Amino acid sequence: SQQGEEDPQALSIQEGENATMNCSYKTSINNLQWYRQNSGRGLVHLILIRSNEREKHSGRLRVTLDTSKKSSSLLITASRAADTASYFCATDAGAGKSTFGDGTTLTVKP
Amino acid sequence: DAGVIQSPRHEVTEMGQEVTLRCKPISGHDYLFWYRQTMMRGLELLIYFNNNVPIDDSGMPEDRFSAKMPNASFSTLKIQPSEPRDSAVYFCASSFVDEQFFGPGTRLTVL
Repeated sequence: SQQGEEDPQALSIQEGENATMNCSYKTSINNLQWYRQNSGRGLVHLILIRSNEREKHSGRLRVTLDTSKKSSSLLITASRAADTASYFCATDAGAGKSTFGDGTTLTVKP
Repeated sequence: DAGVIQSPRHEVTEMGQEVTLRCKPISGHDYLFWYRQTMMRGLELLIYFNNNVPIDDSGMPEDRFSAKMPNASFSTLKIQPSEPRDSAVYFCASSFVDEQFFGPGTRLTVL
């Protein structure tokens, strides 16, 4: 089964609101990454958080990591219609590869 | 850099035909990944290479699937013979450290 599982599967919000997505995983990790996928496109890397970090910011993105609960969250503040996409977490347990979850589909209504 | 390049972008073929997907990774990246994405199964890792050597092919579904990386700038994923259930979007990605850079994908339809 997938290492990372996102929650919720789908999220619909109004422009300007904040969007929070969660990711849970099963085994120990070196780092956790979040990616975005626009419809019909490849995945684009957003942010990486290492296992010894608890919080990281990048622009309107805020990622937290709780290794004791094996979970991470991605917060997008002041959402825009252009943020409409699917968001995936990917866990890296070593050996160079990452395991992707099933994704959260975010719809931001203008 | 042009990013990861995949060809063709779309492929429509008939069941039983051989399909070859191509990927050019970003120069200097030493990891190359092949993924398959479907609505039912999500994003699946098929195989990945490090310095042109296959490291883990446990995700390759069947012997009908094969992948090669003859040099650092080129990789192929071949399906022979193709079946309708192989219809999916196939992504190639490359990386140097942690972040993976994805290509635009090849949408494969097997009739």
